[in-house]
Amino acid sequence: EDQVTQSPEALRLQEGESSSLNCSYTVSGLRGLFWYRQDPGKGPEFLFTLYSAGEEKEKERLKATLTKKESFLHITAPKPEDSATYLCAVRGGTSYGKLTFGQGTILTVHP
Amino acid sequence: GAVVSQHPSRVICKSGTSVKIECRSLDFQATTMFWYRQFPKQSLMLMATSNEGSKATYEQGVEKDKFLINHASLTLSTLTVTSAHPEDSSFYICSASPPFSSGGALGTDTQYFGPGTRLTVL
Repeated sequence: EDQVTQSPEALRLQEGESSSLNCSYTVSGLRGLFWYRQDPGKGPEFLFTLYSAGEEKEKERLKATLTKKESFLHITAPKPEDSATYLCAVRGGTSYGKLTFGQGTILTVHP
Repeated sequence: GAVVSQHPSRVICKSGTSVKIECRSLDFQATTMFWYRQFPKQSLMLMATSNEGSKATYEQGVEKDKFLINHASLTLSTLTVTSAHPEDSSFYICSASPPFSSGGALGTDTQYFGPGTRLTVL
């Protein structure tokens, strides 16, 4: 059974204070690790897909990295508008396209 | 690209009535769509996988007769909550994945989510 654990559950940062979110996973035959951003009352917004260990992707202040056991979402010099819940999900080789989500990290960036 | 819409965004209904939620992929065709349910401050829970032209596959514990799913075309899937009760109140979200043949910049393994539908049953 695929499993995803995200930490911390909540993270409070000052504007400009860089940090990282962690996503640990166990999966049978990784077919993709996905990062989403979710604002309150809205559906998840796609950020990144990572497929193999060593892969990195960047978008504005966000950078996602992947190892064989975990993924990190690095946030550089965050702004208040980066405040959201960040969700990590994996797709395993036997999941028939289904995603297994972590519980999410609630990020709050104070001005 | 990869826009998924849902309608309605919010619905309030009386106990015992049925509610239909539509999920549309606006700029790509989706042979597979997914329906999720999300409770406050919790993560997404997959309810079912909707396949165009065939029966949906439901997750364990999800009542098939309660949550009817129809995927009549490559751009539309519907979720009908039948005889809704207050415990069915939740945030329902759909997602869709572009097919392998779509090419372009869209990730074929990536699920793109709709904005969600807030259902309140009185």
